[in-house]
Amino acid sequence: IAGITQAPTSQILAAGRRMTLRCTQDMRHNAMYWYRQDLGLGLRLIHYSNTAGTTGKGEVPDGYSVSRANTDDFPLTLASAVPSQTSVYFCASSEPGTSGREQYFGPGTRLTVL
Amino acid sequence: GQNIDQPTEMTATEGAIVQINCTYQTSGFNGLFWYQQHAGEAPTFLSYNVLDGLEEKGRFSSFLSRSKGYSYLLLKELQMKDSASYLCAVTDSNYQLIWGAGTKLIIKP
Repeated sequence: IAGITQAPTSQILAAGRRMTLRCTQDMRHNAMYWYRQDLGLGLRLIHYSNTAGTTGKGEVPDGYSVSRANTDDFPLTLASAVPSQTSVYFCASSEPGTSGREQYFGPGTRLTVL
Repeated sequence: GQNIDQPTEMTATEGAIVQINCTYQTSGFNGLFWYQQHAGEAPTFLSYNVLDGLEEKGRFSSFLSRSKGYSYLLLKELQMKDSASYLCAVTDSNYQLIWGAGTKLIIKP
């Protein structure tokens, strides 16, 4: 593994189904993030984690949950998917705290909820 | 509220120079980033400014004026591979990144 990986690459999901998007990094970064990207709206932060064992809510957390059991993995779960959650989801990582810490992004998961 | 404004789309000619502007209004300021995102791909880091002035990195330069809440990304000697979206992002007082919607740059031969 080099950098950040995400799975699946894309997914079509029926409304009401549960879905977990996976994210794994091998850079030993403490901070990890989940964003969604919608046309014309830019990247919006869903949840973040500054270190293993802690998580926080971002700008658009409703309908999503995360866990951070270890440094490398940061899964995002949609408990009951709705069509408005159709989006491209990016996982990212960085060192936390001070400014100037660039974020490294995974390749993204394209999710369609019907 | 927090707001970052960038033009939605710009067109430029191969070999020319283009300037992409970004204005921001955020709760606090702890640095400004520019990222490049090719269609269907993840954003990748281009530059970071935390002090006023110009930072040059090869064909790309980024400028910041904190008093004006303004930054620009300058791309010189444009190449076709520079066709991409350019995202401006500001680190706020909580060290969270606030993202602009991005500027789609179209390069014509």
